[in-house]
Amino acid sequence: EAQVTQNPRYLITVTGKKLTVTCSQNMNHEYMSWYRQDPGLGLRQIYYSMNVEVTDKGDVPEGYKVSRKEKRNFPLILESPSPNQTSLYFCASRTATNTGELFFGEGSRLTVL
Amino acid sequence: AQSVTQLDSHVSVSEGTPVLLRCNYSSSYSPSLFWYVQHPNKGLQLLLKYTSAATLVKGINGFEAEFKKSETSFHLTKPSAHMSDAAEYFCVVTASGGSYIPTFGRGTSLIVHP
Repeated sequence: EAQVTQNPRYLITVTGKKLTVTCSQNMNHEYMSWYRQDPGLGLRQIYYSMNVEVTDKGDVPEGYKVSRKEKRNFPLILESPSPNQTSLYFCASRTATNTGELFFGEGSRLTVL
Repeated sequence: AQSVTQLDSHVSVSEGTPVLLRCNYSSSYSPSLFWYVQHPNKGLQLLLKYTSAATLVKGINGFEAEFKKSETSFHLTKPSAHMSDAAEYFCVVTASGGSYIPTFGRGTSLIVHP
């Protein structure tokens, strides 16, 4: 089954404690992306990757890091989480073309105390 | 450059009545346009997409959308709302030139009353 898998789905952590949200896709997609969703603000792109070892900032990259060492994985790293990073996070993947649909993970709800 | 405007943050309808969710876009290149639906506590799922073929696009669950280049619109419609249609809907544009990065609208919350 084609899918994007994120882990963890739910996480409560404290300010400054490094965490990683993993994302894996099994569709051999070139493009992968991270979004955060906040009430009234829709989805905002954090980082994206057009292919292995190619990453770029989205609209709200501050406080986040990513890496793309393998095609299937695109982890999101919060080196020193802060309360303003409390949000619902989505990973998505797509083929390299503009006509391809995005496939989304189920989301990771992060709370930073 | 490209942008998407969803004209209503909330739309409220009664079950059995028509649904209209409005989306306007701007793009320097020929666009691909998408509608996604997000049910509570779920990820986003593709409803339908326009990619320069037929301008009237049919999607899942009875939804359809019409691409109108002259009006730069891609409104989503359904003849008869069902309670299960209550969800958040996102309009997305990706241009054929440029970086192919999707741009999201802010979303429209569809509320369906019994």
